[in-house]
Parts: sequence; structure tokens; C-alpha cells
Amino acid sequence: RKEVEQDPGPFNVPEGATVAFNCTYSNSASQSFFWYRQDCRKEPKLLMSVYSSGNEDGRFTAQLNRASQYISLLIRDSKLSDSATYLCVVNEIYFGSGTKLNVKP
Amino acid sequence: EPEVTQTPSHQVTQMGQEVILRCVPISNHLYFYWYRQILGQKVEFLVSFYNNEISEKSEIFDDQFSVERPDGSNFTLKIRSTKLEDSAMYFCASRERTATYEQYFGPGTRLTVT
Repeated sequence: RKEVEQDPGPFNVPEGATVAFNCTYSNSASQSFFWYRQDCRKEPKLLMSVYSSGNEDGRFTAQLNRASQYISLLIRDSKLSDSATYLCVVNEIYFGSGTKLNVKP
Repeated sequence: EPEVTQTPSHQVTQMGQEVILRCVPISNHLYFYWYRQILGQKVEFLVSFYNNEISEKSEIFDDQFSVERPDGSNFTLKIRSTKLEDSAMYFCASRERTATYEQYFGPGTRLTVT
């Protein structure tokens, strides 16, 4: 069983749309959770940490559901510049395969 | 803004040759990591390093790999006898000694083994 699983997408959405990604993890004792963004052939860049209480940073909201072992990322009012692959990371070193987002004009 | 740097950006080598990939982590960071990403695949953890020793390593990090922090700034990954399947992007990352575990990645070195 994979440590971290994500829907690969792609998610094709129009500008202004709201889009949500989920990620599931297998280890119930996992302690740290992150969303990273990766542009094509570039390094992963930290988007946000995910806390039990949920957290918001501008148009981005991350939630953690420990009972169901998943984390989510919500992007509101999508911009063209949000087009990228979104990586879920658990326990610092376990990366999901990523969910590709294409925001269209 | 401080950043992680890596050299070279692209390395081409022949199968069986040794390569050394170099990283300069952010200066006040104490934890260092190497990851690889084969084209089209996910980011895979190789090794983490703290206090001048390996703190964790994956199954990928076998005897052909080694890491070193030869001075106060550089962090290197050596691959002793490269194979075709070692062709990948290699990322270095670092983080502070805090409880947040947020890592900052370098731009990567693309290794091509021919």
C-alpha cells in the first residue's frame, strides 16, 4: 500500500473556479502534513503546512481529517498562475505523485 | 531571501562513472535531505542528514550512494558507479531545527547517465 495517494488529475478548470484536491495517507501515526506546488521541471515549493485545526492562506485552505486519514487543499478564485502540480507530503519525506491542475482562461 | 543552491544544474555521465552532486543549504538550517525524481514520476526520498550523520535513509539509498558535509556549507551526494536508471532530477533540501518540518528545496541537478 502506498504511503500517500493522490488523484493524478488533471483537473481542468476555468479561471475563477474553486477546486479541491484530496490526499490519503496510510500511517495513522503520521504527524506532519504539507502541500507543495511543483511547476514543470522545477523544484517543489512549500505552499502550506496543514494543521489539525485547518488553516487558510489567502485563496488557499488546507484541512486535515485524522479519523479518515486524508488532507485536502481548496483553491478559491483560481488564477492562470495556479496551474501546476500539487504535491501532498506526509511525515516530511513521503510525497504523493501529485495532482495536476490546469487553469484555463 | 536565502535559498538552497545546487551545482551543476545538469550533469551528463557515462554508465559506471562516479558523480558528485553539490548543494549549499540555507545557512542556519541544520537538517539536510536528498531526493530524486525520475522524469514523470513522484519525488522519492533518498536520505536525511543531521549532526554530521545520516538520520534516515530509504531503500533506494544503497551502497552506491554516500553523503558528506565536507565543510560548514556544502552537502554532497556521491553516486559511485552510475547506472542508466540513476538518470533523474536530484533535489537537495534543508530545514531549520524547528517543529514545523518545512523544507526548502534547491533547483535540482538533472543527471543523465548514458
